[in-house]
Amino acid sequence: AQSVAQPEDQVNVAEGNPLTVKCTYSVSGNPYLFWYVQYPNRGLQFLLKYITGDNLVKGSYGFEAEFNKSQTSFHLKKPSALVSDSALYFCAVRPLFSGTYKYIFGTGTRLKVLA
Amino acid sequence: DSGVTQTPKHLITATGQRVTLRCSPRSGDLSVYWYQQSLDQGLQFLIQYYNGEERAKGNILERFSAQQFPDLHSELNLSSLELGDSALYFCASSVTPDRPGELFFGEGSRLTVL
Repeated sequence: AQSVAQPEDQVNVAEGNPLTVKCTYSVSGNPYLFWYVQYPNRGLQFLLKYITGDNLVKGSYGFEAEFNKSQTSFHLKKPSALVSDSALYFCAVRPLFSGTYKYIFGTGTRLKVLA
Repeated sequence: DSGVTQTPKHLITATGQRVTLRCSPRSGDLSVYWYQQSLDQGLQFLIQYYNGEERAKGNILERFSAQQFPDLHSELNLSSLELGDSALYFCASSVTPDRPGELFFGEGSRLTVL
């Protein structure tokens, strides 16, 4: 079965420190990979995506993500966290050439940046 | 603003009732996705339409149904509501499912079943 795992329900980091939110996936073929952020009482907002090419992709608000094919991971990173980064983060995959048009989301990781 | 409009934003109803949630996708987007977000279930894919036709089905209950109209807006119908149906229902749109890009999400419809 195709799936996305976000192993941490919550990540706490001090403001100014680097942050990592983990994501691993299990899908056949080469998927498209995405990160979304959700602020309280809001819809999900697109942060970044990996299609092909450079394994390090840069996105909105200073976030970046590293694609690792051998480990089937797509971890979200930011060099210096801000309190305003506190939100719920979702990893998603879209399998290619699988005959399905579904985007599969992880269960989300709550990021809390402490002042 | 994502350009995706969902109504109503909030809805309170009783068990056994029926409700309709509406979604207008971004201008030009042909594909609409419906997701359910509840506290302990994360984001669950329900169903996807492309240009009026159903393209993919997820964990959608038989009590739920959806359709996409010629003007591309979509409606999600929830009937015989149960307490467990209380959740945030999101609609998302994209240009086409054949060229996977980012999804654009609405602000959601929060359904409370009492």
